[in-house]
Amino acid sequence: KQEVTQIPAALSVPEGENLVLNCSFTDSAIYNLQWFRQDPGKGLTSLLLIQSSQREQTSGRLNASLDKSSGRSTLYIAASQPGDSATYLCAGSSNTGKLIFGQGTTLQVKP
Amino acid sequence: GAVVSQHPSWVICKSGTSVKIECRSLDFQATTMFWYRQFPKQSLMLMATSNEGSKATYEQGVEKDKFLINHASLTLSTLTVTSAHPEDSSFYICSAHRDRGTDTQYFGPGTRLTVL
Repeated sequence: KQEVTQIPAALSVPEGENLVLNCSFTDSAIYNLQWFRQDPGKGLTSLLLIQSSQREQTSGRLNASLDKSSGRSTLYIAASQPGDSATYLCAGSSNTGKLIFGQGTTLQVKP
Repeated sequence: GAVVSQHPSWVICKSGTSVKIECRSLDFQATTMFWYRQFPKQSLMLMATSNEGSKATYEQGVEKDKFLINHASLTLSTLTVTSAHPEDSSFYICSAHRDRGTDTQYFGPGTRLTVL
């Protein structure tokens, strides 16, 4: 059974810092790995999708990597801004499309 | 493209009543829709998988008679919380999938249910 864990649970950084959010999963037969952003009381915004044959994806200041052999994914945020403050969720999916979510990392970027 | 809407965005109801939540894919046909529940400060937990024209598949521990799911068309799925109780108060989020496995899921904005 797939389990997804995110570390740390919360993170507070000053504006401008580069930071890394970690996600680990137990089943290497993962189909793809997604990172989402959730603002308080809101739905999810998909940030990056890494398919099982890929190792990383980039979008603007965001870069996500996937290492299936070690069961890890990281989300790298460059030059963080106060607007990046949110909860970041990673989720692994099987080939049926089911997503298993981690508990999330709540990020606060201080001006 | 790939917009998913939910209605209502929030609802308050009395204990014992039933509440229907709609999930619509606005600009694409969703082969599969998923329903999630999120309690405060917790992550999303998958409740059920809904395929158009067939019965929903429920996750372990989710009561199918309490959470009725109808996927009547390729653009609409509904979740009905029957005989709601305060412990059903939660944030319910749906997502829609165009191509199983190869595509991201597109999430709705969520529905906040409060049962008094």
